Amino acid sequence: QVQLVESGGGVVQPGRSLRLACAASGFTFSTCGLHWVRQAPGKGLEWVAVVSHDGAHKYYVDSVKGRFTISRDNSKNTLHLQMNSLRAEDTAVYYCAKEGARFGAGNWFDSWGQGTLVTVSS
Amino acid sequence: SSELTQDPAVSVALGQTVRITCQGDSLRDYYAAWYQQKPGQAPILVIYGKNNRPSGVPDRFSGSSSGTSASLTITGAQAEDEGDYYCSSRDNSGNHWLFGGGTKLTVL
Repeated sequence: QVQLVESGGGVVQPGRSLRLACAASGFTFSTCGLHWVRQAPGKGLEWVAVVSHDGAHKYYVDSVKGRFTISRDNSKNTLHLQMNSLRAEDTAVYYCAKEGARFGAGNWFDSWGQGTLVTVSS
Repeated sequence: SSELTQDPAVSVALGQTVRITCQGDSLRDYYAAWYQQKPGQAPILVIYGKNNRPSGVPDRFSGSSSGTSASLTITGAQAEDEGDYYCSSRDNSGNHWLFGGGTKLTVL
């Protein structure tokens, strides 16, 4: 079955960097768009970024544009999120999520990881 | 507008029917997907597309849409249906995704 396992979260000071990873298995990795979605403590879900199945297209929510970079390695079935210039408001559980349709044909996420907590604090 | 709007909270008596709604301009072009989230857990998909349920989701869950509005209906709500429900879709550009603010469902 599909598995998405995030790692790399932790406590980091404002202005520093952190790199999250999501290891995937159980599906044909190179055919699906992948996303990062975050959830601040006690708050709702917020979409963060998407990378297309082939890595050619990447889009970000305005609040992280220029600071975060999403990438994928289709040879290692791994998704990454490089987070630079972190702010207190980036504190959240970060989930990786898989699109439910191949090659960007749908707009739903059929599988989610369990999330990794990022805390930005001095 | 680039946002999806949900009522913050809804309650339903055990065994009764409840509808959770989501409004946004992008729903005119894209179907909403619906996710259930319980405390401390990752979201799970319950409805996608016109009205599709992933394997394992009970058939008491159904979805519908009209214009700029989408709805999730639970027919015969059970205690285990308590949780937060989020709608989601692409925005008008098609390249970004949106989530509604979430609706907390209480089963009385």
